[in-house]
This record gives sequence, structure tokens and C-alpha cells, in this order.
Amino acid sequence: GQNIDQPTEMTATEGAIVQINCTYQTSGFNGLFWYQQHAGEAPTFLSYNVLDGLEEKGRFSSFLSRSKGYSYLLLKELQMKDSASYLCAVLDSNYQLIWGAGTKLIIKP
Amino acid sequence: DAGITQSPRYKITETGRQVTLMCHQTWSHSYMFWYRQDLGHGLRLIYYSAAADITDKGEVPDGYVVSRSKTENFPLTLESATRSQTSVYFCALSGGENSPLHFGNGTRLTVT
Repeated sequence: GQNIDQPTEMTATEGAIVQINCTYQTSGFNGLFWYQQHAGEAPTFLSYNVLDGLEEKGRFSSFLSRSKGYSYLLLKELQMKDSASYLCAVLDSNYQLIWGAGTKLIIKP
Repeated sequence: DAGITQSPRYKITETGRQVTLMCHQTWSHSYMFWYRQDLGHGLRLIYYSAAADITDKGEVPDGYVVSRSKTENFPLTLESATRSQTSVYFCALSGGENSPLHFGNGTRLTVT
């Protein structure tokens, strides 16, 4: 079966760096997405990786290793507003999105 | 420009009633999706549509019906609501098969 694993919850301190991991086993691979979802709101797109390596977008970076079935989202200079759930999703060979259950990130002052 | 609008935002209904959730877009994106989100589960795909008059089942289609007679509208109907359909429902759009999804604000549905 197809599966995506993410930690359920993580805690970090304001101003610090946090890395949220995502491992996947899917039927084929056509890209990996990260979304941010604040409580009570809709998910919003953060990043897309289809080739191995690091993609940087301001304070957020996303890394992909296709051979290891692994990605991470790196958040730097954490702010209180980064408290949210982070969803990892993989596009399989049929272009179907497989979603992880999400990682709830708690930022403490 | 809201881009994608879902209505209603909140709905309480009784078991056995028919309920329709609306989704409207102003961007003319081809792909539209309906997801439900429940605690402990990731987003689960109910139905999707690649274009007007083309719809297909997702992971959890039972008890739901969709239609897409116009590109901009993609309503989701619960034919006879059950308590297990209490959930948050998100409509989403994308411009292509590997394009990111844009989500509506969601509909929080409670079936009593």
C-alpha cells in the first residue's frame, strides 16, 4: 500500500530552527508537496520538490531524496505565527496525491 | 478576488437529510477536488473532476454525489447524511496534474 509518515507533533522555540521529516512509500513518484495549515483554516501551498536537493524560499526550505523516499521541511528563525500543522503530500505515478496525516508544530516563546 | 468560494461555511443537519455543499471558482482551473479532513486522518479525497462533465471517484466516495455541468462549479451532495459524514470539507483547484492545490475556506458539517 501507499504510505506517508510524519511525526504527529513537534515543539520548538521562537527564533530557533526546526526540521519536519516526511518518509514515503508510493507507487511511483511525480513530486512532493508541503502545505501549511493553521488551526481552523485551509491548507496553503509552501513548496514543491520533484528533483533531489534543497529548495529554499525565504525562511522555509524543503529537501528531497527520491532514492531514500525522504523529504524534510526546514523552518528557520521561527516565529509564533509558524505554529500550524505541516502536511506532506506525494504525487504518485497516476498523479494522485497521497497525504500524510500532518505534523502539528507548537512554537514556544 | 476570492478565486475559490465554498458555501456554506458551517452547516448542521440531521441524519437522513440531503445536503449540498457548493464550490465555485473564478480562475477557470481544469481540476477540482473535494476532500474531507478528520482528526487522525490526512486529507481524504472524495471525488475529483478533470474538466466539465468529467468526474471520478477518490478514496472515500460512498454516500456522496458530484456534478460538474459548468467549469466553475463543483457541488458535492450527501444524498442521505450520516453521523460518520460529520467532517470538515474542502474544495480545491489546480491548474494541472502536478500543480499545487488551492483550497477553499472549507465547510464544517455536523450531522446530528
